[in-house]
Amino acid sequence: AQSVSQHNHHVILSEAASLELGCNYSYGGTVNLFWYVQYPGQHLQLLLKYFSGDPLVKGIKGFEAEFIKSKFSFNLRKPSVQWSDTAEYFCAVSGNNNDMRFGAGTRLTVKP
Amino acid sequence: KAGVTQTPRYLIKTRGQQVTLSCSPISGHRSVSWYQQTPGQGLQFLFEYFSETQRNKGNFPGRFSGRQFSNSRSEMNVSTLELGDSALYLCASSLDRTFDYGYTFGSGTRLTVV
Repeated sequence: AQSVSQHNHHVILSEAASLELGCNYSYGGTVNLFWYVQYPGQHLQLLLKYFSGDPLVKGIKGFEAEFIKSKFSFNLRKPSVQWSDTAEYFCAVSGNNNDMRFGAGTRLTVKP
Repeated sequence: KAGVTQTPRYLIKTRGQQVTLSCSPISGHRSVSWYQQTPGQGLQFLFEYFSETQRNKGNFPGRFSGRQFSNSRSEMNVSTLELGDSALYLCASSLDRTFDYGYTFGSGTRLTVV
């Protein structure tokens, strides 16, 4: 069965620190990979997505993610976080079975 | 263009009752998916509809059901409510059947069962 694992439940960083959030998935076929963000009090928004091609994808607000097929991973990175990046981040995978599965989420707190 | 609209925003129900939640997708979107969001569990997939047909279903009991209308609007119903059904229920719509463009989420309906 398709599953998504996010390694960190809660990450606390100071402003300007670098960020890497882990995401691993389990799925046997071709996958599309996504990162969504949920800012406090707001709805989920798409941050970036990978379908094919360059495994390093860039999203909004300076975020990027790297797809490593051999490791079934799609980690999210940002070189320098800001207080406004405080949010919950969800990794998601869709395959050929008509659904999208999400990880449990990682809560990021950025201290000013 | 209007986003995904979910109604109502908040609901309080008592155990044993049933509830119906509504979702209007973005105009032109034919795929509608439902998720249950709870702290620590993330988003749990309920079901997905495309052109009025349920294409996939998650691991929820039969008390959870849904349907989609010809205008792509969708409803989900939960019967015989339990305390554990308290959650944020999210609806998401997608332009096509392959999710190549990802989802657009609504703000959710927060259901509290007392």
